[in-house]
Amino acid sequence: DSGVTQTPKHLITATGQRVTLRCSPRSGDLSVYWYQQSLDQGLQFLIQYYNGEERAKGNILERFSAQQFPDLHSELNLSSLELGDSALYFCASSPPISNVLTFGAGSRLTVL
Amino acid sequence: QKEVEQDPGPLSVPEGAIVSLNCTYSNSAFQYFMWYRQYSRKGPELLMYTYSSGNKEDGRFTAQVDKSSKYISLFIRDSQPSDSATYLCAMSSSNYQLIWGAGTKLIIKP
Repeated sequence: DSGVTQTPKHLITATGQRVTLRCSPRSGDLSVYWYQQSLDQGLQFLIQYYNGEERAKGNILERFSAQQFPDLHSELNLSSLELGDSALYFCASSPPISNVLTFGAGSRLTVL
Repeated sequence: QKEVEQDPGPLSVPEGAIVSLNCTYSNSAFQYFMWYRQYSRKGPELLMYTYSSGNKEDGRFTAQVDKSSKYISLFIRDSQPSDSATYLCAMSSSNYQLIWGAGTKLIIKP
């Protein structure tokens, strides 16, 4: 157990639907990162939050949004889902003033 | 050209062999270098962390950074079937924004 908790582990939904992925960072970590990994592809950085504020943005689609709450957990919202959004979505967290990421187990999204 | 280049493989070697995994990069400002290991459909886990140039050893694993050539390596000695995984390099400058390689899939044959 890495200490980073992601829910749900698996999610199957239909095109056009909306889903929310949840992440609880390790105790003491202030940064939360979201990554997308399609089948046999590399990690694609989506977005980073630090203590509730957006810190960096990667290749995140306009249909996707995220936020980090006062208790530091984060949610990634994916809307108007397309077949190509099927992927593993990883959350990672890091302590203050650190670039060492600890990853969660991932949420596997399947869009049918 | 990508900032970080990594051969996706797969790289297949017999058990017990020495494995060499590599990444090249173009940004001379990178000073933090990491290797993560990712088992199939699991979250990546940090394997090695190196600051600036030089070597770092941890058990069967050695990380090497050559900043003059913009080249980093991960060596695995006495490779085991349990080492079969995808190995991702990652690096950053002082802004701490990680840039990732595509990952190399390693297969250790018993």
